[in-house]
Amino acid sequence: ETGVTQTPRHLVMGMTNKKSLKCEQHLGHNAMYWYKQSAKKPLELMFVYSLEERVENNSVPSRFSPECPNSSHLFLHLHTLQPEDSALYLCASSHETGTANTGELFFGEGSRLTVL
Amino acid sequence: KQEVTQIPAALSVPEGENLVLNCSFTDSAIYNLQWFRQDPGKGLTSLLLIQSSQREQTSGRLNASLDKSSGRSTLYIAASQPGDSATYLCAVDYGGATNKLIFGTGTLLAVQP
Repeated sequence: ETGVTQTPRHLVMGMTNKKSLKCEQHLGHNAMYWYKQSAKKPLELMFVYSLEERVENNSVPSRFSPECPNSSHLFLHLHTLQPEDSALYLCASSHETGTANTGELFFGEGSRLTVL
Repeated sequence: KQEVTQIPAALSVPEGENLVLNCSFTDSAIYNLQWFRQDPGKGLTSLLLIQSSQREQTSGRLNASLDKSSGRSTLYIAASQPGDSATYLCAVDYGGATNKLIFGTGTLLAVQP
């Protein structure tokens, strides 16, 4: 148990569906992240939120829409996805924010997404 | 371009053997380096975090070293066990406002009983 909880663990959706991934952290951290992990590729940073404000968007397609209503919760809204978006989506949190280093990163178990 | 490389991509060893996993990075201006473990279909578990001012960190049978000047880190696992079988990832933190970690592709370790 890392203190970062992701739901659902598995999701299958069609290309026209709208779904959301949820992440909750119980660690009192200031920063939360969405990463994408595809087979044979390094983890790719998608979004970073620091104190509920988005500070990084690594040129992610608009069909992925993040939301951070408070420092403990992070969502990834999915709309009109493509089969190549099938991957493991990992949420993480860390204590440090701003120009400080990331500090130790704590990951959730991930949401395995399959787009048909 | 900041890149992180892990060699070997896969490693199989008999139980009880000591082993070393390697991580190299192209830009030595790092804040810290983290080693993670990932079991199949699961998230990442942080193993060790080495700050840029440190040379090594130890936790149980694990020892991670850092040589910034040569752009290298190693993860040493002593007396390996079948339960150590997993993918091991290193990630380099270059700091800055975006709190960005650059991950390697990992080393898949299999410890044979």
